Amino acid sequence: GQNIDQPTEMTATEGAIVQINCTYQTSGFNGLFWYQQHAGEAPTFLSYNVLDGLEEKGRFSSFLSRSKGYSYLLLKELQMKDSASYLCAPWDSNYQLIWGAGTKLIIKP
Amino acid sequence: SAVISQKPSRDICQRGTSLTIQCQVDSQVTMMFWYRQQPGQSLTLIATANQGSEATYESGFVIDKFPISRPNLTFSTLTVSNMSPEDSSIYLCSVRAGQGDTGELFFGEGSRLTVL
Repeated sequence: GQNIDQPTEMTATEGAIVQINCTYQTSGFNGLFWYQQHAGEAPTFLSYNVLDGLEEKGRFSSFLSRSKGYSYLLLKELQMKDSASYLCAPWDSNYQLIWGAGTKLIIKP
Repeated sequence: SAVISQKPSRDICQRGTSLTIQCQVDSQVTMMFWYRQQPGQSLTLIATANQGSEATYESGFVIDKFPISRPNLTFSTLTVSNMSPEDSSIYLCSVRAGQGDTGELFFGEGSRLTVL
């Protein structure tokens, strides 16, 4: 079957760094997306990885290891506005997005 | 990128009634996707709306319950029929950026339905 595993909730301090891990099992693989979703709002695109390694985009970086079925999202210099859910979503062989339940990130002052 | 407008943004509905959600995109797209997100849950794909053909429904979703229209390349509607409290959810319209099947998804603002 297809499965996504992310921590349900994480807490971090403003200004710190946090890493949100995601492991996945899919029928084939065509890349992996990370989305941010603030409470009551629609998800917004953060990053896309299709090759192994780290993709950096400002304060956010995303890493992929295809052999391990593993990705992480790294958030630096945390701000209060980063409090949101972070959704890991790999693409399977049919370009179907497989959505996890997301990780709720709580930022404390 | 794509700008997607959805309405209504929220509604409170009575059991047994039906509600139609509209989705308007600012560019022509081949496929439009309808998702449901129940409280605290992941996104669940309901169906893919293709212009000029019947929508493709995912397992667990049927046309009688969730009829979809796709009259042109920029517009689609999803109807939630004969609603029950279990249908209380956020319904999201989305499209892909870029050509073909690849590209990230852009989402509308969502329609939050509460069924009493």
